[in-house]
Amino acid sequence: DVKVTQSSRYLVKRTGEKVFLECVQDMDHENMFWYRQDPGLGLRLIYFSYDVKMKEKGDIPEGYSVSREKKERFSLILESASTNQTSMYLCASKGGGPGGYTFGSGTRLTVV
Amino acid sequence: QQQVKQSPQSLIVQKGGISIINCAYENTAFDYFPWYQQFPGKGPALLIAIRPDVSEKKEGRFTISFNKSAKQFSLHIMDSQPGDSATYFCAASPGQAGTALIFGKGTTLSVSS
Repeated sequence: DVKVTQSSRYLVKRTGEKVFLECVQDMDHENMFWYRQDPGLGLRLIYFSYDVKMKEKGDIPEGYSVSREKKERFSLILESASTNQTSMYLCASKGGGPGGYTFGSGTRLTVV
Repeated sequence: QQQVKQSPQSLIVQKGGISIINCAYENTAFDYFPWYQQFPGKGPALLIAIRPDVSEKKEGRFTISFNKSAKQFSLHIMDSQPGDSATYFCAASPGQAGTALIFGKGTTLSVSS
């Protein structure tokens, strides 16, 4: 089974801090994704990447950036954390062609 | 055009009953329709998926019904069990390389015993 590992389950950061969320997948998948999940709003796409060093903006990229230097690792960066970025962050990966995503267990980020 | 509308937002079903969650879409280019199940504290997991060339797909107690002309698809959970209590998301794929799944907003299902 594909495994998607998010480095932290819970994080508490201060407003204005630069925050790094790490995601690693072990199945050589080309595509990786970052979503945030908020009650009543479902899963909203922040950024995705379909190849190393490639990135595409999703629906809500403002305040975020990403890095994909290696195929297995996709990092989400909050340049200057704000309280409205308190959320559950989910990473996912997918191989080429049609098919479903495999999600990590999520990182619950609280910005105080 | 790119939205997937999911209903209801929440659902309470008696043990043994049928749970039905509906989704609707606009974009006829969507070519893959998965359903995800998410338990508290976990990431969503792929439950079942269908392509638009079939009208129904069944896996155990879970069935997707797909109506291409109406641009609707639904998840049916037969003989619902308390262990099915979770949040369910429908999604649709735009069918192009380099694009991402579009998710509905989710349905929280509670199965009472």
